[in-house]
Formats: sequence, C-alpha cells, structure tokens
Amino acid sequence: DGGITQSPKYLFRKEGQNVTLSCEQNLNHDAMYWYRQDPGQGLRLIYYSQIVNDFQKGDIAEGYSVSREKKESFPLTVTSAQKNPTAFYLCASSFSLAGLTGELFFGEGSRLTVL
Amino acid sequence: AQSVTQLDSHVSVSEGTPVLLRCNYSSSYSPSLFWYVQHPNKGLQLLLKYTSAATLVKGINGFEAEFKKSETSFHLTKPSAHMSDAAEYFCVVSPSSGSARQLTFGSGTQLTVLP
Repeated sequence: DGGITQSPKYLFRKEGQNVTLSCEQNLNHDAMYWYRQDPGQGLRLIYYSQIVNDFQKGDIAEGYSVSREKKESFPLTVTSAQKNPTAFYLCASSFSLAGLTGELFFGEGSRLTVL
Repeated sequence: AQSVTQLDSHVSVSEGTPVLLRCNYSSSYSPSLFWYVQHPNKGLQLLLKYTSAATLVKGINGFEAEFKKSETSFHLTKPSAHMSDAAEYFCVVSPSSGSARQLTFGSGTQLTVLP
C-alpha cells in the first residue's frame, strides 16, 4: 500500500540532545512537509521541500533542520536549539507544491517528549 | 492575509443525531477550503474540499459542507453521527491559486459521540 511512514512513533529525549525523526513516502510525490502540532492549536509548518536537494523554511523553522537527498525521504532533526521541542510531529506529502488540489497525505506522526 | 476560526473547541452529540462543526474564514483572495479529520495519535485525512465549484461539497463518510461567501463560513455537517466519527476536525483555508505552503489550519474541534 502506498503511504507515508514516520518513525519512531514515540521518542524521549534529554535536554541538550539532537534527535532525528524519519519520514519515508512511496507515493512518488514531489513535495514533502513537516508540521508541528501542539494541543489546542492548528498545525504549524516547520519546513517543506518541493524537489530533491531543495527545501525551504516554514513558519517555525528555528531549532530544526532537514535534508532531502532522496525523493522518498525527508528527515527532520530537532536540535538542542529548539526551546520547547515536546510536541507531535507530522510529516506530509503532496503531488506537487504548486497547483494545489488540497490533498495532503499525512503520516501517523511522531510524539517527542523532552525529559 | 488569511485566517480561519473554528468556533467550538469541543462538540458532543449523541449517536444518531446531527453533527454541526462551525468554521469561519477570512481571506483577501478567493479561497479554497478544506476539512480534515484526525483520529487519536494518527495523521490527518482529507474529508472534503471546496475549490470554487459547487458550493455544497460532499465528502467521505457522509459528511458535507456548504461554502457561504456572504457569511464567510464553511460549516461541516453530517445528518447522523456514528461512534466512529469521534475525532478532531480541522478547517483549513488557502488562496484558491495558492500552494500547499499557504495552508492555514484552524485550531481544531474535538467531536465526542455519546452512546
């Protein structure tokens, strides 16, 4: 089945540690996205990529980094510079960035807790 | 500029009764509007979308929404709630000619379905 796979589902981190969240898609989509979700808030865009080897900052990129070396993969690193990293992180993809049809396909998320 | 307001953070209904989830939007441009659903600890799934065609939009699982430009609203309805409808629902707005980069998510409405 085609879809988006995020791992790990749950992750605990000590303060000062970097962690990397994995996102893999087999939908042959060009565009990929990382969102952060906090209780009682809508999704906020961290980074997005519309093509391999290219990515752009979203609305809350500080303290995060990404790479896009392969079309299928868009890992997110939460660095120690992120002041409040405890959140639910969602990866999504779409056929393209432009000409929006509205449908983003989401993974099941990764819940990060900082101890 | 654009924004979206979901008027209720929580809605409770009894199984078999109608569902109404309210969404108002503000947009400087002709908007596209979407409703997504999120079950606990899962990613979001597209329910339906309005992209300047018919103002009454039908989606999956018996949901529908009506675009009312004069009221700047896009309320989600379902005639008869089912237990499996219990989830969080997000209203989303973007410019009709925009990209996925320009999506704005509402803060969500948690729907509880009582037996």
